[in-house]
Amino acid sequence: DTAVSQTPKYLVTQMGNDKSIKCEQNLGHDTMYWYKQDSKKFLKIMFSYNNKELIINETVPNRFSPKSPDKAHLNLHINSLELGDSAVYFCASSQAEGLAGGRWSYEQFFGPGTRLTVL
Amino acid sequence: DAKTTQPPSMDCAEGRAANLPCNHSTISGNEYVYWYRQIHSQGPQYIIHGLKNNETNEMASLIITEDRKSSTLILPHATLRDTAVYYCIVRVANYGGSQGNLIFGKGTKLSVKP
Repeated sequence: DTAVSQTPKYLVTQMGNDKSIKCEQNLGHDTMYWYKQDSKKFLKIMFSYNNKELIINETVPNRFSPKSPDKAHLNLHINSLELGDSAVYFCASSQAEGLAGGRWSYEQFFGPGTRLTVL
Repeated sequence: DAKTTQPPSMDCAEGRAANLPCNHSTISGNEYVYWYRQIHSQGPQYIIHGLKNNETNEMASLIITEDRKSSTLILPHATLRDTAVYYCIVRVANYGGSQGNLIFGKGTKLSVKP
């Protein structure tokens, strides 16, 4: 069973369009994230979200908005797509940080990515 | 910005140990060292993490120097499937919290060759 899944895997669209990428996790985690990996392969956090708080990376344009219908889903909506939005977008999830074996442990599980191409 | 420095690329022969270094000279006392890897066209995958003691799991070993300013990830018997970009990340523990930022740098591209 896929722990973190994303749809679609590929998305090709025209500049100016509005699109959404869906993310679902079946791990029972309480926090989800969106990352963007650009053409230079830099992986950057965009959002982190749980039922209490949304933290937005200040560099993310407000055309991007995460929407969570429930704890297992965090969808990414993008308005007025631009050429520079072309990238691979990864969803991730994690459980609350916990103490195990004397160490605080925290692990993020990533989805397979969605390659967005804006023409 | 990433607080770690890694070599951009390394090669390793299949079956040999791969030793991936990471410098984190500005690490704070409450920051952990995490390692993730990203195999081509896939999402990043957690490998291991540690605070100050050496750690080992089924995937790898993590050796942290006594002054904690550097660490080495060891893949004991590298296979072709270990070819990936390996990221060393320094992160403060968010005690009892559920959110945390992983700040990825450029990583080390490890090529395992037959």
